[in-house]
Amino acid sequence: NAGVTQTPKFRVLKTGQSMTLLCAQDMNHEYMYWYRQDPGMGLRLIHYSVGEGTTAKGEVPDGYNVSRLKKQNFLLGLESAAPSQTSVYFCASSHDGGRTQYFGPGTRLLVL
Amino acid sequence: TQLLEQSPQFLSIQEGENLTVYCNSSSVFSSLQWYRQEPGEGPVLLVTVVTGGEVKKLKRLTFQFGDARKDSSLHITAAQPGDTGLYLCAGRRSGDDKIIFGKGTRLHILP
Repeated sequence: NAGVTQTPKFRVLKTGQSMTLLCAQDMNHEYMYWYRQDPGMGLRLIHYSVGEGTTAKGEVPDGYNVSRLKKQNFLLGLESAAPSQTSVYFCASSHDGGRTQYFGPGTRLLVL
Repeated sequence: TQLLEQSPQFLSIQEGENLTVYCNSSSVFSSLQWYRQEPGEGPVLLVTVVTGGEVKKLKRLTFQFGDARKDSSLHITAAQPGDTGLYLCAGRRSGDDKIIFGKGTRLHILP
């Protein structure tokens, strides 16, 4: 039982490049979330999903897209990376609508 | 506008002292959670409170949800160096799916 895993752990991108961050959970949770964490800002919700095939915008969705084709996976895409997207990205899953969230270890992204 | 205000932002105290961290909002929340985060790791859930006035204890940590469900506090008794970390409050406002986090309180316990 691995819980929530994130791939990759660290990535450096040039401005304008694209990439996809993968989040996988093996707990059969319905809810999944993508956050970004910047110094002094706490965690800010980017997008979330309340079930397979559904996605919804969070607090800071601009510049990101997501997909939830399979219940266990939640993908976060950056179509054209910008330096402002340099951050640590966390994925989380929940069985109770977010009251209890299990977080992955994070992906550190640097956009030059 | 920060919907969940945490205070203080930073706290450095000596081992053995007591401390309280606050999480305040003008909105009503259906539940509030407290997480602790270590450097380089994801947040780990400490507790969830759902009922106004609820008090939960986790060893030396005491969590309280305000009667109006707009605020919460975390009290640590006899702090230890192992309590060092970033403490985050989070919650869902009534009628909303989104999870909101406070900016966190960075706690440092000096041996």
